This record gives sequence, C-alpha cells and structure tokens, in this order.
Amino acid sequence: GMPVEQNPPALSLYEGAESGLRCNFSTTMKGVQWFQQNHRGRLITLFYLAQGTKENGRLKSTFNSKERYSTLHIKDAQLEDSGTYFCAVKVDTNAYKVIFGKGTHLHVLP
Amino acid sequence: EAAVTQSPRNKVAVTGGKVTLSCNQTNNHNNMYWYRQDTGHGLRLIHYSYGAGSTEKGDIPDGYKASRPSQENFSLILELATPSQTSVYFCASGDRGKETLYFGSGTRLTVL
Repeated sequence: GMPVEQNPPALSLYEGAESGLRCNFSTTMKGVQWFQQNHRGRLITLFYLAQGTKENGRLKSTFNSKERYSTLHIKDAQLEDSGTYFCAVKVDTNAYKVIFGKGTHLHVLP
Repeated sequence: EAAVTQSPRNKVAVTGGKVTLSCNQTNNHNNMYWYRQDTGHGLRLIHYSYGAGSTEKGDIPDGYKASRPSQENFSLILELATPSQTSVYFCASGDRGKETLYFGSGTRLTVL
C-alpha cells in the first residue's frame, strides 16, 4: 500500500471550529513535515518533527514514530486556513528521499 | 527565508518536443528535489539530488532526466514531451541534517 496515507481526504469547518488531520505511515520514518498549499498553489512549511509535539499559534502537531502516525490539529479555524494540507516523510532507508501523502483539502466556511 | 526560484512559471509545449524546467536556490542547500502534482495523486517525486553532480531517481522517473551542474541549479528535462506530462512541477531544496523543505512557486506545463 501507500507508504503515507492522509485522512480525511477532505474536510469542511466553520470559522472558529477545530479539527485534526492525520497522517499514517506504513513503515518507520525518520521524521514528518506538514505543509499548507494555499489558494495560489504555494507550498508553505508548517512543521518538521522528529518526535513529540510542536505548537505554533492555532496549529499543533504530534509525531508518534512507534505507532507510525502524525497529527495536525487546527483550532479556531479561520478563512485563510483553507487549502490543502500535506504531510511528507523521509523514508528511513533513504535519508534524502521525501515522500508526500495525497493531502487533506480543508474548506473553512464563514 | 530560503529562496527557490523556478522558471518558467508557465510553459506550453508540443508532443515530442524538448522541455527544460529550471530551478535555482540561493541558500547553499545540499539537497534538491523535483515533484509533479496531479489531482488525485498529490506530490510525486521524480528526481532528487544530494549535491552538485548527483542525480537520483525518485518514484516516477520515466520520461524525465535531471541535471545538477552546480549547488544552486537543478534542472528537469523532458527529452520527448507527452501529453501525460501535463502537470504542475515543483522544485524544492533542503539542507542535509535540517529537515525542512523549501519549495518554489511551481511551473505549470501543458503538453499539446
């Protein structure tokens, strides 16, 4: 199967709401990155995690290498949070190769 | 903020023609990557490089070549373009040991 799977494929939230996105891995990964692709198509780095949890404003991400998943939690959703969120991982056997999930399309509604 | 510049931003090519997509980064990163993005597939890795003179195959290298003549520049070459290569192409760079990738703005390629 796919080495990286993201869920859900799509998500709608009202402004002010919160939700979590998930990224599952089929094998051991060295670390995970989360990106947002905005309406202009630009890919913006949100987080890199080798382990544990990181927070930045309304965003929080965790990485559990043992259980092979990572999450991205968005609270107090804003219209500008709309876009596609990707997780990307470095495959343990090849430190240079970075593989992306298919993304979660987030639509924040007014 | 790392700077990764792709050119051209948009390109229309004919089937069988040669296309070269260029990428330049000004932050002395060791690693560079070429991805394509298609609906339903996300970003898929075509080629990558871990330094000047090196190119490695990614997950979908068929029909593409890559060239890394210098630390700053990484090109993607379509020797014989086909309509199936119509896509948005992204270049990225990253420093060895520092895991964050920095992306260019993308190149929209249409092969007629």
